[in-house]
Amino acid sequence: KAGVTQTPRYLIKTRGQQVTLSCSPISGHRSVSWYQQTPGQGLQFLFEYFSETQRNKGNFPGRFSGRQFSNSRSEMNVSTLELGDSALYLCASSRDGRSGVLGAWPLHFGNGTRLTVT
Amino acid sequence: DQQVKQNSPSLSVQEGRISILNCDYTNSMFDYFLWYKKYPAEGPTFLISISSIKDKNEDGRFTVFLNKSAKHLSLHIVPSQPGDSAVYFCAASGGPITGNQFYFGTGTSLTVIP
Repeated sequence: KAGVTQTPRYLIKTRGQQVTLSCSPISGHRSVSWYQQTPGQGLQFLFEYFSETQRNKGNFPGRFSGRQFSNSRSEMNVSTLELGDSALYLCASSRDGRSGVLGAWPLHFGNGTRLTVT
Repeated sequence: DQQVKQNSPSLSVQEGRISILNCDYTNSMFDYFLWYKKYPAEGPTFLISISSIKDKNEDGRFTVFLNKSAKHLSLHIVPSQPGDSAVYFCAASGGPITGNQFYFGTGTSLTVIP
């Protein structure tokens, strides 16, 4: 079973530009989440999509947006890039709902897109 | 507001000994906890989880302990191997009550010395 695929792996952009990152979830997974990882900050939640609808959103400015397509693939867009947006952006997919006594289905992550803003 | 905290940024352990990674949380509504392992240039990989109805879960060399009254969980790796050297993240979720969101700690970098 193929894992979560993120493209591209690396991106270098200039301040003020915009960028679009892509994520293909594991087949059958309808929930897709995006996280930002920076040194010392761990994984910060950006947003989660389910059935083409944004279900949850973290504390990021409106420059960060996303969408999900009918095949569950997702894209994340960052407009007006700032130097502080340089980070590893991780996409994760999961089954939805509760898994009985386990509580929840775990997130399965892709290898991320390393964004560098200069 | 960091709801999940890993207060030790790094840990070094001799090969064959026990590695203990700690994690604290503040939200009493969390009922599901996970540990992830991350190598450089790769995404986090799910390692082990525990539900709040249990206080211990084992999977091979990995054991997670949960102390709900202290809002504390720990990951024990026995015996530690050089291949275990990675960054370990703990995460917590409370399902719909906490927005169906996973909250992650800042990670602990484990180095296993051969």
